[in-house]
Amino acid sequence: AQSVSQHNHHVILSEAASLELGCNYSYGGTVNLFWYVQYPGQHLQLLLKYFSGDPLVKGIKGFEAEFIKSKFSFNLRKPSVQWSDTAEYFCAVNLGSASKIIFGSGTRLSIRP
Amino acid sequence: SQTIHQWPATLVQPVGSPLSLECTVEGTSNPNLYWYRQAAGRGLQLLFYSVGIGQISSEVPQNLSASRPQDRQFILSSKKLLLSDSGFYLCAWSVWGIMNTEAFFGQGTRLTVV
Repeated sequence: AQSVSQHNHHVILSEAASLELGCNYSYGGTVNLFWYVQYPGQHLQLLLKYFSGDPLVKGIKGFEAEFIKSKFSFNLRKPSVQWSDTAEYFCAVNLGSASKIIFGSGTRLSIRP
Repeated sequence: SQTIHQWPATLVQPVGSPLSLECTVEGTSNPNLYWYRQAAGRGLQLLFYSVGIGQISSEVPQNLSASRPQDRQFILSSKKLLLSDSGFYLCAWSVWGIMNTEAFFGQGTRLTVV
């Protein structure tokens, strides 16, 4: 069955540390890939997306993600986190041929000031 | 521009009562429509999705159903609510085809079954 896995449930970092959140999916067809963020008390907003082309995509607020097709991965990175990055992060995959968009279980990121 | 409306924002219903949550999209044609439930630690669980009028795919067998009576209208229903139906429900739309998009979300409905 198609699925999206986010292996890190809760990540705690200090300010200025580097961040990498893992995302793997299981689906053999064409995919579009997304990272969403949900700040405390707020709604989901899109961080970045991959549709085609350069597998390294840049999003808002200094985030980037790399699509590695051979590893079925789309990891999110940020070189230096800030306290304001405290939020929950969701990876999502659009299974194109089926028009389904499924989400991972989310990773809670806590930043120590 | 496209907008998505979802209502009500909050709802408190007794066990055994019916449910109807409505979602409408404006500014786009033939969108894919989705109902998700968000629970702490479980991310967004896809409940139903629809690629066209009357076409509903169910992802999780449960006490809920969905209908799409019009191109840009998606309804989540239940005949008899259970306590376990409590949660935060999100409607979303996307486009797939010549132009692909991410999922755009409504404001959500907080359902409490008492």
